[in-house]
Amino acid sequence: KAGVTQTPRYLIKTRGQQVTLSCSPISGHRSVSWYQQTPGQGLQFLFEYFSETQRNKGNFPGRFSGRQFSNSRSEMNVSTLELGDSALYLCASSLSSGGGETQYFGPGTRLLVL
Amino acid sequence: GEDVEQSLFLSVREGDSSVINCTYTDSSSTYLYWYKQEPGAGLQLLTYIFSNMDMKQDQRLTVLLNKKDKHLSLRIADTQTGDSAIYFCAEIRNTGFQKLVFGTGTRLLVSP
Repeated sequence: KAGVTQTPRYLIKTRGQQVTLSCSPISGHRSVSWYQQTPGQGLQFLFEYFSETQRNKGNFPGRFSGRQFSNSRSEMNVSTLELGDSALYLCASSLSSGGGETQYFGPGTRLLVL
Repeated sequence: GEDVEQSLFLSVREGDSSVINCTYTDSSSTYLYWYKQEPGAGLQLLTYIFSNMDMKQDQRLTVLLNKKDKHLSLRIADTQTGDSAIYFCAEIRNTGFQKLVFGTGTRLLVSP
């Protein structure tokens, strides 16, 4: 089975722009979670999608949004980029929603905001 | 506190055992996880332990869980240079919904 894939792997944007990141979960997995990893804040939960619905959301501003499609693929969008949005964005998939489900991570998208 | 805590750095020699420690916060966490992150890569699930267990062994990896002290450890036997990476423990935290909360990460350096 293929693992979690994320595209693109690297991205450079300037302040004020917007960006869309994509995540394809493991086949059969219906839940996708997104995390932001920075040297200062570590790994922080952004949101979780299950059956095309956002189930949970972390403590991030409304500039961060996402969606999930009927094939379970997910996208996250960041609008009006700020320098502090530079980070590694990781997505993880699991069979279903709920913290008890083991999450498998993709390689991440490294975003640099100039 | 609210943070899942880990020591920042551990250095061992090849062939020695490594022990990485973690103090978590949510006593109701049903599962506790260990993930490995190599440079420039995502997180690789290493192992996990169910909260009603004290110990779990998986080849070179041994996980110990002390629920009373909310202490989790990962022992890597016969540590190899390829084990050099950052290791994260993670708990399931209940805050109205369940989410995975990660520790600060321990950078393991294995020298030949």
